[in-house]
Amino acid sequence: GQQLNQSPQSMFIQEGEDVSMNCTSSSIFNTWLWYKQDPGEGPVLLIALYKAGELTSNGRLTAQFGITRKDSFLNISASIPSDVGIYFCAGRPMNRDDKIIFGKGTRLHILP
Amino acid sequence: ETGVTQSPTHLIKTRGQQVTLRCSSQSGHNTVSWYQQALGQGPQFIFQYYREEENGRGNFPPRFSGLQFPNYSSELNVNALELDDSALYLCASSLEWGAGAEAFFGQGTRLTVV
Repeated sequence: GQQLNQSPQSMFIQEGEDVSMNCTSSSIFNTWLWYKQDPGEGPVLLIALYKAGELTSNGRLTAQFGITRKDSFLNISASIPSDVGIYFCAGRPMNRDDKIIFGKGTRLHILP
Repeated sequence: ETGVTQSPTHLIKTRGQQVTLRCSSQSGHNTVSWYQQALGQGPQFIFQYYREEENGRGNFPPRFSGLQFPNYSSELNVNALELDDSALYLCASSLEWGAGAEAFFGQGTRLTVV
């Protein structure tokens, strides 16, 4: 079945550092979504991307829809303690856009 | 705050029982989808309802069924519960569906099957 390969699985960084995570797929997606999930909560939408090559920012977050339509990345600049959590890439496959497929998540830890 | 609310927040059931989970979608949203999230995994698509009809389904057996009501709220029903059904069940609502439709999630229902 369709899968999203998200990396890294986890990251340990110092406060103030920049963060980069990415997601790849073997099939084409027509929408890419990035979510953050805190413990005991549902995923919260951070950024939505709709066109190949699109680069979108939301405050300190920047995400891009890859040209091949098979990948996306999320960057977080100048990390702060509240950035801790699990980040999921997700997307709507071109041939099954009724559903959203999720990656396995990147767990972000910030060292004091 | 997404405006998507789920009830109950936690539930414990015994293997073989049946369970009904509820979701109230964001105002104006006509599409509701349900996801199962096992511990340490990303959410997995169960099915989607658009204007009271199921219009998409993931790889889940028929004992997972649902309903959408005229006000676009929704229910997820699971029959003959198994231990592996223990998970966080998430409901998401969107304005329409397909390419370009952003999905907003509720806080989830944590189901434990013992």
